[in-house]
Amino acid sequence: NAGVTQTPKFQVLKTGQSMTLQCAQDMNHEYMSWYRQDPGMGLRLIHYSVGAGITDQGEVPNGYNVSRSTTEDFPLRLLSAAPSQTSVYFCASSYQQGAFYEQYFGPGTRLTVT
Amino acid sequence: DAKTTQPNSMESNEEEPVHLPCNHSTISGTDYIHWYRQLPSQGPEYVIHGLTSNVNNRMASLAIAEDRKSSTLILHRATLRDAAVYYCIPFSNTGKLIFGQGTTLQVKP
Repeated sequence: NAGVTQTPKFQVLKTGQSMTLQCAQDMNHEYMSWYRQDPGMGLRLIHYSVGAGITDQGEVPNGYNVSRSTTEDFPLRLLSAAPSQTSVYFCASSYQQGAFYEQYFGPGTRLTVT
Repeated sequence: DAKTTQPNSMESNEEEPVHLPCNHSTISGTDYIHWYRQLPSQGPEYVIHGLTSNVNNRMASLAIAEDRKSSTLILHRATLRDAAVYYCIPFSNTGKLIFGQGTTLQVKP
């Protein structure tokens, strides 16, 4: 299994541009989520999904959209990038939602907005 | 969500045991205690989790206090590769995995 994969690894955007961060998992996990990590900080939850067709907001959802059309993929869209969205973005998945299950994280996408 | 208190940083010598403490005095009775670590420039990595009993796996052991208000992650023989930020996270079935500041572990050769 490849686990959780994220593309791209690095991205530079200008203010106002849009882009999609890709996340995929091959473990047939129902639960997927997106986090951002600012320098020297812990991770903050952006959006999550408990299964295909179901998404919900986390702690810091503003400026981001998600959709979940398949079990495998959970893309994160930035509609109009702002410098405050400069961060490292991590995608995670687990078998199901719930504290019994461990979560698996991808390697991250480092985004810079100028 | 339960609040946690962890030391900002700890040091250990290579090949010695390391005990990483975590206080979670407001934990609810059904919250699991999860530990993750994050190596430099990598995504978080699951270490171990438990509910009430002590737990062991190939990476570490988790000792949970009888009143569940604190727990200790035990690395039996620290290696240089164990240098990371360690996060203790009380996690409820209806909640989300919420990361705090964690403990930065330095391992000296």
